[in-house]
Amino acid sequence: GAVVSQHPSWVICKSGTSVKIECRSLDFQATTMFWYRQFPKQSLMLMATSNEGSKATYEQGVEKDKFLINHASLTLSTLTVTSAHPEDSSFYICSAQLIPGAHLGGTYNEQFFGPGTRLTVL
Amino acid sequence: AQTVTQSQPEMSVQEAETVTLSCTYDTSESDYYLFWYKQPPSRQMILVIRQEAYKQQNATENRFSVNFQKAAKSFSLKISDSQLGDAAMYFCAYRSPSYGNKLVFGAGTILRVKS
Repeated sequence: GAVVSQHPSWVICKSGTSVKIECRSLDFQATTMFWYRQFPKQSLMLMATSNEGSKATYEQGVEKDKFLINHASLTLSTLTVTSAHPEDSSFYICSAQLIPGAHLGGTYNEQFFGPGTRLTVL
Repeated sequence: AQTVTQSQPEMSVQEAETVTLSCTYDTSESDYYLFWYKQPPSRQMILVIRQEAYKQQNATENRFSVNFQKAAKSFSLKISDSQLGDAAMYFCAYRSPSYGNKLVFGAGTILRVKS
């Protein structure tokens, strides 16, 4: 249990185009999902917190209009990189927070990570 | 602001030996959690061990154990009987309900295991 998927696992796009990345919790509901960005051999940097049914909360320095987040259901959050540029090339990881007492139990809002999406912008 | 510091960019250990990865953190909160995550070459984040701040007893998970020193704000990870599969990037992380349960990660430590 507690599986989070991301689609696609990797994507190559041309500069100026938009790319959508999906994050799904497969066997549990998640009111909150988080989006991270990771450059090679660096740590994970939190980009935004995605809350089901409400607007995402972005970390300081993250462009809201460039990284659009939509948390349409309790099992799906999407990150859209708009007008992508080569500097947006990175590894994007999502995590989904387990609701306490939900399907898999748990009392401390455990987070489960997706496998990540490698974005390359040419 | 909460910060997590990992001062060892790289560590090496001989197979079957023991290695300790260091982590310090800074917070003014009393309710928080600390984690060690493993990120192998596949880049899938794997939870290794977690420690609740209110628990005095150090968490253990098989070959993995922590030394949690709350007053010193130190949270080290000890890996016993190291295996080749332990080679990965290890991240120390902090989380607090008062900070929206957002994970704050350290810079990471690359662990190499020699056969």
